[in-house]
Amino acid sequence: EDQVTQSPEALRLQEGESSSLNCSYTVSGLRGLFWYRQDPGKGPEFLFTLYSAGEEKEKERLKATLTKKESFLHITAPKPEDSATYLCAGYSGGYNKLIFGAGTRLAVHP
Amino acid sequence: DADVTQTPRNRITKTGKRIMLECSQTKGHDRMYWYRQDPGLGLRLIYYSFDVKDINKGEISDGYSVSRQAQAKFSLSLESAIPNQTALYFCATSDFGQGRYNEQFFGPGTRLTVL
Repeated sequence: EDQVTQSPEALRLQEGESSSLNCSYTVSGLRGLFWYRQDPGKGPEFLFTLYSAGEEKEKERLKATLTKKESFLHITAPKPEDSATYLCAGYSGGYNKLIFGAGTRLAVHP
Repeated sequence: DADVTQTPRNRITKTGKRIMLECSQTKGHDRMYWYRQDPGLGLRLIYYSFDVKDINKGEISDGYSVSRQAQAKFSLSLESAIPNQTALYFCATSDFGQGRYNEQFFGPGTRLTVL
């Protein structure tokens, strides 16, 4: 069964304290691994797409990486405005749909 | 103006009532989706449509129906609402460009409460 698991469920960081979020996946015919940011009461906002193992993408303090079994979202020197829930999703070519993880709630304190 | 809009943004209804949630998009995308989000669970796909004449069930379609009125409009209906359909509902759109599965763009969500 296709599955995407994110860890940890919640993460509290001090401003400037770098860390990584994990996304493990078993998705048949993976056609892309997507990262989204979701603020409370809002729709998910697209961050990155990764299509093949070894691929990396960066945006400001965020860097996403992909292996054959997992993806990481690295956050370097986070700021309070980075606080949000980060969602990972794998696109199943076999089922033509995105499989979402439950998300990691990140809180960055000054 | 927002690219993907949803109406209403909040709705409280009673068990057994019929309710429709509407989604409109100005992105020109052919593909549209309806998801629900529950605390502690990931987004789950209810229905999706790859063009006006194409409607497909997602993983949790029981109790829901959809209508694709035009390329830009995709509505979700609850024929007889029940309390466990209380959730946050999202509409999303995407295109399929260059042979790749591209990112989905989400609307702001509808918070539905069924009493």
